Amino acid sequence: EADIYQTPRYLVIGTGKKITLECSQTMGHDKMYWYQQDPGMELHLIHYSYGVNSTEKGDLSSESTVSRIRTEHFPLTLESARPSHTSQYLCASTRGSGQPQHFGDGTRLSIL
Amino acid sequence: QQQVKQSPQSLIVQKGGISIINCAYENTAFDYFPWYQQFPGKGPALLIAIRPDVSEKKEGRFTISFNKSAKQFSLHIMDSQPGDSATYFCAASIRDSSYKLIFGSGTRLLVRP
Repeated sequence: EADIYQTPRYLVIGTGKKITLECSQTMGHDKMYWYQQDPGMELHLIHYSYGVNSTEKGDLSSESTVSRIRTEHFPLTLESARPSHTSQYLCASTRGSGQPQHFGDGTRLSIL
Repeated sequence: QQQVKQSPQSLIVQKGGISIINCAYENTAFDYFPWYQQFPGKGPALLIAIRPDVSEKKEGRFTISFNKSAKQFSLHIMDSQPGDSATYFCAASIRDSSYKLIFGSGTRLLVRP
């Protein structure tokens, strides 16, 4: 079983608030990813990281930002939340080199 | 060219039956094709994966069939069980430094008792 943790699991918050979604993994994986998923729908890559101090935009444009200061930690931040940001956010990591991506259980975000 | 097209969108199968989900791709640079299973409230979990140099891979009741010339691959679930009821996603990736996955749109499987 992969060890990748996301907090909080659920967040309901008002418009205009700053939000940080946490993602941590204990596997020492260099590559980490953030996906956005509406319930039951496909996953869209919004950010990824090759390793410490590396961040890249994904295939789906997002107003969120990410940072990678430590290998195990890949937080996602929304500076000013809007209702359009309501979705589920999934974090994943992999060792790469043909190894699978392991996913956390996600944060379900609702912006009122 | 980066898309992975998945069908059907939903599938209902009787217990003991065979569930078949299909995916197609265009980008011949894709070289890794995993299938993920997702239960409500959970993240996707890897079910089985295949590389294009193999035409079939079997793990228990789950089999991937891969047709490189047709650029298609499918998941077969034999002896489907109610516990298999979940959403299934195919995906594809290119072996570059990012190891990004491109996901299909998902298939919601319901196995009736």
